[in-house]
Formats: sequence, structure tokens, C-alpha cells
Amino acid sequence: EVQLVQSGAEVKKPGESLKISCKGSGYIFTNYWIAWVRQMPGKGLEWMGIVYPGDSDIRYNPSFQGQVTISADKSITTAYLQWSSLKASDTALYYCARENVAADGQSFEYWGQGTLVTVSS
Amino acid sequence: DIQMTQSPSSVSASVGDRVTITCRASQDISTRLAWYQQKPGKAPKLLIHTASSLQNGVPSRFSGSGSGTDFTLTISSLQTEDFATYYCQQAISFPRTFGQGTKVEVK
Repeated sequence: EVQLVQSGAEVKKPGESLKISCKGSGYIFTNYWIAWVRQMPGKGLEWMGIVYPGDSDIRYNPSFQGQVTISADKSITTAYLQWSSLKASDTALYYCARENVAADGQSFEYWGQGTLVTVSS
Repeated sequence: DIQMTQSPSSVSASVGDRVTITCRASQDISTRLAWYQQKPGKAPKLLIHTASSLQNGVPSRFSGSGSGTDFTLTISSLQTEDFATYYCQQAISFPRTFGQGTKVEVK
């Protein structure tokens, strides 16, 4: 069974750093892109970026480039999203999602449960 | 970046109604489009990929159509469990982009 299990909710202060995780299981981790999607309170879905664990190829949404860092450690089948200096506007629910291969439509069939990040002084 | 524009932003409907949501891409995306359903507090659920292919396990009352720049998601007979927010997403290029969402509400 394919599963993406994300790390737990975080409460941080502005200026602090944070790294959240997404552990994949039940499939060949290196064969599928893993994306990060932001959902701010009461708002829609925003694609932040994506990593291919097989060769660590990473693509960012220009809107998030320089604001976050995406990475993956294939040895422990885990993808990461990190911030070096959080802002209050980073408060959101963050999802990881696995992108299907082209033959299956390159859509996000599997999602993590979401990690709520709250940034407040 | 490819912009995805959904309409309407919200729709009020009753059980049994036919509901149609449209999604327009800012450039030709062929059939590289997916539709998702999201309920409050839950992760999105894939309904349709490649514009018209129903994801396994999704009820047949959901259907998708379109190619190029104009796409449609249709719910043929709305059920109670279908009240939710629906998003389209293009999958032809990075960055992937979502529509702004359409909320299907109780009339």
C-alpha cells in the first residue's frame, strides 16, 4: 500500500528555521516525483515545487524559489521542505503528494495527511 | 507559468442536480489536466486524470472532458457526499498550477 506520512504540526516564531518531512512507503521511492503543496487558511492549493529522489532533480515554483528548500534522502525514502527564516505568512497547511508517471496522467494520486505550520510571535 | 482559471468560484446545488465546472488554461495543455475533490480538513482526492480518465474507485457520476485550453468537470447527479471544493491542475509543464477552486454548496 502506497503511503506518504508527514511529520507533525509545528508552532514556530518568526525568524526561526524549520524542516518538515514526508516519508514514502509501499512503492519504489526513487521512481516518482514528490511535490509540496501549500494551502493557506481558507485558500486554495499552491504548487511549491517538486523533487525526483532518483537523482535529486528539483524544480521550484518561481513564487517560492529562494523562500524554501526542497530535498530528498532516498536512503530513508523521505522528502523534505525547509525554511531558514519563517514569516507569519508561512502559516499554512503543507501537503506532500506523489506524482504519477506520464502513462498514468502525471497527476497527484497519493497525498500525505498534511503538516500544519503556525508561525506566530 | 500556465494560469488555470475555474468558473464559477462557487455553485449552490441540490442533491440530484447536474453540476458543471469549467477550467480554462492560459495556453494549450493538450489533455494534461487533472481534477481533484477536497473536503474540509482532508487532503485532496484525485478524481480524473488526463482530462477524461476516471480514477479507480471514483463514482461514474463524475466525468471530465476537454482538450487544449477548455475543460469541464461534470457531476451528473449530485450526492450528499459531493459537497466539497473542486480544483483543476495542469500537468504539462513546471510549475504545475492549480485553478483557484470551485466550492459546491448546498442550495
